[in-house]
Amino acid sequence: EAGVTQFPSHSVIEKGQTVTLRCDPISGHDNLYWYRRVMGKEIKFLLHFVKESKQDESGMPNNRFLAERTGGTYSTLKVQPAELEDSGVYFCASSQGGSLYNEQFFGPGTRLTVL
Amino acid sequence: RKEVEQDPGPFNVPEGATVAFNCTYSNSASQSFFWYRQDCRKEPKLLMSVYSSGNEDGRFTAQLNRASQYISLLIRDSKLSDSATYLCVVNNYNQGGKLIFGQGTELSVKP
Repeated sequence: EAGVTQFPSHSVIEKGQTVTLRCDPISGHDNLYWYRRVMGKEIKFLLHFVKESKQDESGMPNNRFLAERTGGTYSTLKVQPAELEDSGVYFCASSQGGSLYNEQFFGPGTRLTVL
Repeated sequence: RKEVEQDPGPFNVPEGATVAFNCTYSNSASQSFFWYRQDCRKEPKLLMSVYSSGNEDGRFTAQLNRASQYISLLIRDSKLSDSATYLCVVNNYNQGGKLIFGQGTELSVKP
């Protein structure tokens, strides 16, 4: 069974540009999460989808970040305009249920560098 | 103060050594506890969940002390392949599936 996939694996953009990251969860997983790790810091939660609905977006840093999950399948995370501090690794994870006890499976991440 | 704190590391140990990782969490509402493993430039992968009674999986033993808000991971007879970053992760009641990560402790096992 295919795991969580993310695209692109790397992205290098200039400050002020727009970047869109994509995540394809494991088939059948209704719950999709975005996390981010900036250099030297811990992995931090960004938001949680249940199907196409945003369940929790408390971790989104500001309104330059927009996440969507149309149709409840894959998700995109757009950063517009990108700033230097947005550099980091963006992980997507999915799980079958959304409770405390459901294992989250992580994708390989997208490494974003903003110059 | 970070919600989940771990030993800063790195830990450099010889093969066969026993190594212990410590973690504390600040939110008494934390409900679920995990150790994840992350290899260099890879995604985190669940190593084991941690239960109040303590649990063991082969060479790995995890313990939870709710009173002290402390979690530990013990690796016995360490192998070269155990080299990775170990992440202490918690999940809080009423926060759905949101995972809260510690910064991780890097382990390097040398021959």
